[in-house]
Amino acid sequence: AQSVTQLGSHVSVSEGALVLLRCNYSSSVPPYLFWYVQYPNQGLQLLLKYTTGATLVKGINGFEAEFKKSETSFHLTKPSAHMSDAAEYFCAMSPGGGSNYKLTFGKGTLLTVNP
Amino acid sequence: DTAVSQTPKYLVTQMGNDKSIKCEQNLGHDTMYWYKQDSKKFLKIMFSYNNKELIINETVPNRFSPKSPDKAHLNLHINSLELGDSAVYFCASSLRQAGNTIYFGEGSWLTVV
Repeated sequence: AQSVTQLGSHVSVSEGALVLLRCNYSSSVPPYLFWYVQYPNQGLQLLLKYTTGATLVKGINGFEAEFKKSETSFHLTKPSAHMSDAAEYFCAMSPGGGSNYKLTFGKGTLLTVNP
Repeated sequence: DTAVSQTPKYLVTQMGNDKSIKCEQNLGHDTMYWYKQDSKKFLKIMFSYNNKELIINETVPNRFSPKSPDKAHLNLHINSLELGDSAVYFCASSLRQAGNTIYFGEGSWLTVV
């Protein structure tokens, strides 16, 4: 069975500091991995995704994530946090290949950015 | 133009009532979904339709019935609403292929009192 674990339900950083949101996955097949962001009272917006190819993936708003197969991880980073980054972040996966595209989500990490 | 739109955005209703949430996408996608987000923000898929055919049906009470009149629309009807149905329901769509981006609507906040 596939599963996604986000370490830390709440991460707090200062404006300008490094953002690191952790995501580990468990999958019997190579996964496709996604990070979504949810601002208050809004829907989910895709930040970035990894399917195949380069393991370092760049997304919107200065975020990037690196797929590390040996560590079964897909951590999300941003060099310098901005107040507007405060939101809930979700890591998700689907089994790679074929037509099984059902997304399994982690429980989310709330990012707080302090001035 | 809104890519995935769902209505209503907010819905407050009494226990025992029947309600529907409508969803439409204008992205030309062939697959649509309903996800439920509970009070702890956990997201879980409920249903998925591909070209009007039900292809994913998770363990959901049969009080929940999705209907897809065409591949651009997916509605969710809920009978005999219970307090535990209070949640945010997200409609989403994609092209049916693993790895394709799933686009979400803004959500429908359902409160059962």
